[in-house]
Amino acid sequence: EVQLVQSGAEVKKPGESLKISCKGSGYSFTNYWIGWVRQMPGKGLEWLGIVYPGDSDTRYSPSFQGQVTISADKSTNTAYLQWSTLKASDTAMYYCARHSAVTGTCDYWGQGTLVTVSS
Amino acid sequence: EIVLTQSPDFQSVTPKEKVTITCRASQSIGSSLHWYQQKPDQSPKLLIKYVSQSFSGVPSRFSGSGSGTVFTLTINSLEAEDAATYYCHQTSSLPSTFGGGTKVEIK
Repeated sequence: EVQLVQSGAEVKKPGESLKISCKGSGYSFTNYWIGWVRQMPGKGLEWLGIVYPGDSDTRYSPSFQGQVTISADKSTNTAYLQWSTLKASDTAMYYCARHSAVTGTCDYWGQGTLVTVSS
Repeated sequence: EIVLTQSPDFQSVTPKEKVTITCRASQSIGSSLHWYQQKPDQSPKLLIKYVSQSFSGVPSRFSGSGSGTVFTLTINSLEAEDAATYYCHQTSSLPSTFGGGTKVEIK
């Protein structure tokens, strides 16, 4: 059974750094892209970018390039999304999703990680 | 960046009615169009991939059609459990983008 399990909710202050995780199981982790999707409170879905754990090839949406860093560790079957300097506007639910290909559908999703940034 | 525009934004429907949601792309995306269902406080779930292919375990009342720039998700004989927000998603070119969503409420 394909599973993506994300790390727990985070409460941070503006200016702090953060790294959240997404651990895959039940499939060959290095053979599928993992993407990250943001959902701000009461809003729709936004695609941030994807990483290929096999060789760490990474692609970003221009809207998020430079704002976040996406990475993966194939030794632990884990993908990451990180911020160096959080802003209040980063408050959102973040989902990881397995992509069937670099331009493929999101066939399995994690449960989401709620990030709250507040002073 | 390809923009996806969904209509309507909201639909209130009685059980057993047919629901049609439209997704229009700002340029041709071939067949790289997918549909997801998101229930309150849950992750999105894949319903339809590549316009019309049903994902594993999805009830047969959900179907998709279209090509080029106009696509449709149809729910035949709506059930109470189908109350959710539905999103279209294009993967024809990066960055991948989502439609704004259509919320379906059960009357």
